[in-house]
Amino acid sequence: GQQVMQIPQYQHVQEGEDFTTYCNSSTTLSNIQWYKQRPGGHPVFLIQLVKSGEVKKQKRLTFQFGEAKKNSSLHITATQTTDVGTYFCAPPLVGNNRKLIWGLGTSLAVNP
Amino acid sequence: NAGVTQTPKFRVLKTGQSMTLLCAQDMNHEYMYWYRQDPGMGLRLIHYSVGEGTTAKGEVPDGYNVSRLKKQNFLLGLESAAPSQTSVYFCASSYFLDPTYEQYFGPGTRLTVT
Repeated sequence: GQQVMQIPQYQHVQEGEDFTTYCNSSTTLSNIQWYKQRPGGHPVFLIQLVKSGEVKKQKRLTFQFGEAKKNSSLHITATQTTDVGTYFCAPPLVGNNRKLIWGLGTSLAVNP
Repeated sequence: NAGVTQTPKFRVLKTGQSMTLLCAQDMNHEYMYWYRQDPGMGLRLIHYSVGEGTTAKGEVPDGYNVSRLKKQNFLLGLESAAPSQTSVYFCASSYFLDPTYEQYFGPGTRLTVT
């Protein structure tokens, strides 16, 4: 079945270092969403990418959608302690845009 | 706007007991979802609904039932709880005209089955 893999599973950085998480799909995607979940919290929508090769920025966060629409990445520049949490990519199930397939997430820890 | 609320926040059940988790949203969303999240795992879809009076199975529906009698409420039932159902349960909703398909999540219910 359709699968999505995220790497790395965990990442420990010093505050101020950059961070990148990658999401790879077994199938070509129509779009992909990214969510952030703080420890003890619930997932919160960050962004949706739709177009091949699309790059979107939100302050220190840069999201990319691969040219083949089978992979995506999230890059955080100069991490802060407020970036701590788990980042999930969640593309829709092929043929049903309303059902999401969730990656296992990348847990980010930031040392002050 | 309260957004998506879940009741209760915590619950401990004994094996074989039943319970109902309530999800309510005040955003007039058509789509509603129930997920479970286990340690180190992503979210797994249990059941979902595309509108009042409709429900459909997700990827892990066994042992759960749902009902959507009112548009704003989505109930998740456990008829005979098992320790394997110990998890954090999240409800989410989305608006059918939203082109981003963003899902809005409730705060979660932590369920322990002993």
